[in-house]
Amino acid sequence: TQLLEQSPQFLSIQEGENLTVYCNSSSVFSSLQWYRQEPGEGPVLLVTVVTGGEVKKLKRLTFQFGDARKDSSLHITAAQPGDTGLYLCADTGNQFYFGTGTSLTVIP
Amino acid sequence: ETGVTQTPRHLVMGMTNKKSLKCEQHLGHNAMYWYKQSAKKPLELMFVYSLEERVENNSVPSRFSPECPNSSHLFLHLHTLQPEDSALYLCASSPMFHTSYNEQFFGPGTRLTVL
Repeated sequence: TQLLEQSPQFLSIQEGENLTVYCNSSSVFSSLQWYRQEPGEGPVLLVTVVTGGEVKKLKRLTFQFGDARKDSSLHITAAQPGDTGLYLCADTGNQFYFGTGTSLTVIP
Repeated sequence: ETGVTQTPRHLVMGMTNKKSLKCEQHLGHNAMYWYKQSAKKPLELMFVYSLEERVENNSVPSRFSPECPNSSHLFLHLHTLQPEDSALYLCASSPMFHTSYNEQFFGPGTRLTVL
């Protein structure tokens, strides 16, 4: 069973601050997805990364895939209250393995 | 609105009750999934159906019984549950099963409490 560790587990920041959350795997990712889950809803896909070293940007969100494809980071610039939610990484191989998530709260 | 609906949104049941969770997807997808989400634990994949056939069953206790009558509907039948089964149960669908880069579309979940 693949283990995906996400850190930090909880993060509370002020609006306008920058932050980075991490996802580390015990084995090489097939491909990696980041999801955001808002309270009372299911997870929604943010991005898929496939190639080691890949960087993708989605407005204020920057996703980086490690060269060895065993880790990834999500950086948010100038966080807003709408960014509040649970951020999940997932390996999309034969089975979907999800991490434990980072719960982010952005305080206005 | 992701195109995946779940009912009921909240359910409280006793250990001797029988209830069912329903999921419906309006996306024309061929694969559907049940997940369990508990506090402080990763999303746990329970069952996968592809083209209405069960293709994954991750050692889920028999008190959980899935049913997929067609590619748009998925049920999870519950009986004689335990308090530790209390969790958020999420349904998801994807265009196909067993392909990389597969995006899963999740419903809002059913919050289940077992007394």
